[in-house]
Amino acid sequence: DQQVKQNSPSLSVQEGRISILNCDYTNSMFDYFLWYKKYPAEGPTFLISISSIKDKNEDGRFTVFLNKSAKHLSLHIVPSQPGDSAVYFCAAYETSGTYKYIFGTGTRLKVLA
Amino acid sequence: DTGVSQDPRHKITKRGQNVTFRCDPISEHNRLYWYRQTLGQGPEFLTYFQNEAQLEKSRLLSDRFSAERPKGSFSTLEIQRTEQGDSAMYLCASSLLSGEKLFFGSGTQLSVL
Repeated sequence: DQQVKQNSPSLSVQEGRISILNCDYTNSMFDYFLWYKKYPAEGPTFLISISSIKDKNEDGRFTVFLNKSAKHLSLHIVPSQPGDSAVYFCAAYETSGTYKYIFGTGTRLKVLA
Repeated sequence: DTGVSQDPRHKITKRGQNVTFRCDPISEHNRLYWYRQTLGQGPEFLTYFQNEAQLEKSRLLSDRFSAERPKGSFSTLEIQRTEQGDSAMYLCASSLLSGEKLFFGSGTQLSVL
């Protein structure tokens, strides 16, 4: 049972435009969500997170939106840069539970110069 | 802050051999996690420790896998009688007890021939 899903395996965007990466979850007990970026042969690096008490969190070019009723979150990157080309994973966990982070399958973003 | 360190970076072994990986978390981090990642998939939870206590182990994890964190500092992951299906990137991550972010190491790439 895939509790965190990223239904788009890949996305291509022109440099300077907006990249929107989507993530859906099924476990209503999840109340903290994170986005990670991964380059080949490296471990994932943290990008941005959001608690379920919020619906938006911004950090520079990155904004995460959370729609709890739809069990959906998205990551917006504006403007997109070639260095953003990587695989992006969303993750979720229950802060009152086991602190087991569940990851999606990832979306490969390619930003075209 | 030296980050999460994993050793070795790469391991090639023959089917049936035992392998052991080491992870040194960020020094003040209480929680330590092991994940496995295969091509096209997100990190899959294997197990995690809070200090020296192993609090959860994935039901998908075979009895051939064992992890330890004897003094609440570094951890080892051993795979006995390796199979070709064990070929994957093994990722270690750590976090503070109260923290929300996981910090990942660069991983150990295992190839079973």
